[in-house]
Amino acid sequence: AQSVTQLDSQVPVFEEAPVELRCNYSSSVSVYLFWYVQYPNQGLQLLLKYLSGSTLVKGINGFEAEFNKSQTSFHLRKPSVHISDTAEYFCAVTPNTNAGKSTFGDGTTLTVKP
Amino acid sequence: EAGVTQSPTHLIKTRGQQATLRCSPISGHTSVYWYQQALGLGLQFLLWYDEGEERNRGNFPPRFSGRQFPNYSSELNVNALELEDSALYLCASTPGGRTNEKLFFGSGTQLSVL
Repeated sequence: AQSVTQLDSQVPVFEEAPVELRCNYSSSVSVYLFWYVQYPNQGLQLLLKYLSGSTLVKGINGFEAEFNKSQTSFHLRKPSVHISDTAEYFCAVTPNTNAGKSTFGDGTTLTVKP
Repeated sequence: EAGVTQSPTHLIKTRGQQATLRCSPISGHTSVYWYQQALGLGLQFLLWYDEGEERNRGNFPPRFSGRQFPNYSSELNVNALELEDSALYLCASTPGGRTNEKLFFGSGTQLSVL
């Protein structure tokens, strides 16, 4: 079984400030890691994913995340946020041996203020 | 190309009634996943269908059921509705059940149980 903990439920920041959304996970097997974004009244869209290889993953809209195996973390970062980044962000893990069952964190609401 | 479509957008039911939610995956996708997004609880995995078969099931009671049709569209049925079933129900699809595939989400059905 696996679990995902998003350490901050709400993150308010000012426009053009950097942001980090934290995600820790636990799993007894190897996992793939994902970050999704959900804009109001929409479904989720993939921001980025880590499957293997380089631990720094770059995604859409200027976001990146770093996989840290020893700390079992997959924190999402952006050096300068925009108003349009206001949304809910979900970290997810999928065991590489059990197709179909992704486990999501409870989400982090990012609010970018002018 | 059309994305994942869900219907209806909103559904209002009363306790004890049955609800049927529908999902059409992206053309060519054979796997359909259902998630429940209740307020403050993140996304909870409900069901996974692939090639017409139920492949995996989350920790939900049997009154949550579904099926996948030959054209890969899917229905989620919730019987004997309870107030706590009120949530956004999200459907997602992938080309197959490979764990490294991102999930393509629909915009969801907002179910309200009164």
